Amino acid sequence: DVKVTQSSRYLVKRTGEKVFLECVQDMDHENMFWYRQDPGLGLRLIYFSYDVKMKEKGDIPEGYSVSREKKERFSLILESASTNQTSMYLCASRRTGPWGTEAFFGQGTRLTVV
Amino acid sequence: DAKTTQPNSMESNEEEPVHLPCNHSTISGTDYIHWYRQLPSQGPEYVIHGLTSNVNNRMASLAIAEDRKSSTLILHRATLRDAAVYYCILRAYGNKLVFGAGTILRVKS
Repeated sequence: DVKVTQSSRYLVKRTGEKVFLECVQDMDHENMFWYRQDPGLGLRLIYFSYDVKMKEKGDIPEGYSVSREKKERFSLILESASTNQTSMYLCASRRTGPWGTEAFFGQGTRLTVV
Repeated sequence: DAKTTQPNSMESNEEEPVHLPCNHSTISGTDYIHWYRQLPSQGPEYVIHGLTSNVNNRMASLAIAEDRKSSTLILHRATLRDAAVYYCILRAYGNKLVFGAGTILRVKS
C-alpha cells in the first residue's frame, strides 16, 4: 500500500513555540504539498515542493516555511506558532507526469496552539 | 485557475445511485477533471479523473458533458461508507490541486 505518513495525529503547542510538522512518503514522488483545512474555508494550499530543495508558495504561506532536504520528507515549520494557526494540516504527494496522476494524502495532523 | 461550482450538500438513500454535479464553464482544453472525496476524520482520497471521455473505475463513473463545461460523478449504489465531502477539481499545467468547498453527501439508511 502506498503511504503518506504524518508524524503526529494530534499536537498541542504553546503560542510562540517553533513547531515542526513532518511528512514522509514511500512512493518516490517528486511533488509534495502542505494544506491546512478549516471549517467553512476548505483545504488551502500553504506550500508545495516539486523537487528536493525546491519549494513554491501556495495561497497562504504567511507564518509558515518548509524544508525538503530529502525526496521522501517534507517538513512544515511554524516559526512562531499563533492561535490562528490552530487547524488540521494535511500533507500530500504526487508524482510528476501526465496531468491525470492522482495525489495521495496523509491522515492529517490536528494542531492546537494555546 | 478555472473554477468549479458544486452544490453545498446532497442526500441519498442507501443502495440507490447518486449523481453529484459539477459546473466548470471556464474549463480550458488542457484541464483534467478530478474528483476526490474526504471521509470523516481522514485526508482526501482520489476517486476518478477524466479529460473528455466518460470514465469508469471500481469506485465510480465520471460523465463529462460534450462541451466539457460540466461533469457528473456517479456512485452506482450508495452505501453509508460513501458519506463524505466530494470535491471536483480542475488541474492543467503545473502541480497544484486547488480544492473548492465540495459537496457534502449524506446517505440515509
